[in-house]
Amino acid sequence: NAGVTQTPKFQVLKTGQSMTLQCAQDMNHNSMYWYRQDPGMGLRLIYYSASEGTTDKGEVPNGYNVSRLNKREFSLRLESAAPSQTSVYFCASRRQGVGTEAFFGQGTRLTVV
Amino acid sequence: KQEVTQIPAALSVPEGENLVLNCSFTDSAIYNLQWFRQDPGKGLTSLLLIQSSQREQTSGRLNASLDKSSGRSTLYIAASQPGDSATYLCAVKDSGGSNYKLTFGKGTLLTVNP
Repeated sequence: NAGVTQTPKFQVLKTGQSMTLQCAQDMNHNSMYWYRQDPGMGLRLIYYSASEGTTDKGEVPNGYNVSRLNKREFSLRLESAAPSQTSVYFCASRRQGVGTEAFFGQGTRLTVV
Repeated sequence: KQEVTQIPAALSVPEGENLVLNCSFTDSAIYNLQWFRQDPGKGLTSLLLIQSSQREQTSGRLNASLDKSSGRSTLYIAASQPGDSATYLCAVKDSGGSNYKLTFGKGTLLTVNP
């Protein structure tokens, strides 16, 4: 049982380059999330998808786009990377409904130079 | 806006000690509270989930309590071991507005010394 899988695990980008972070879950969860984690800031929500076909902005959506490709997959795209987007990115998923547990992937460590 | 605070930010204890980590939140209208563990360079591992109607949850040497009315939760770790060294995060799921969002504290970095 893989849970939540993120690819890649590490990435270095030059300013202005674009890339897509991939996330897939095999738990048949409805809701999926993208967070970023920065020292001293904690985890902040970028975007989430409450169910297949819907996406909504979180706290820090600027500079990002997302796609809920199907129930399993939720991708995060950086169109023009900036040094301020250097961070560790986590994908999470949760079964819809009150009181369900969230499960996280292992993270993608992104450096923008 | 929900805010979650964890105190202390860092804690260092000798092996075998019992310890308590604290989590407070400003809006008591929550569905649940979840405690996570994060090892350096790794993802978050769920430890315990407490529903708003519950007072506590236990898993092995871990016991989490919830006092929703006062906006507090504690994570009690019994007989600590060096392998417990990690960052511990708490997160709440609000019941108002969007019920999909988790709000995280900044974590407590625990070091258990052999």
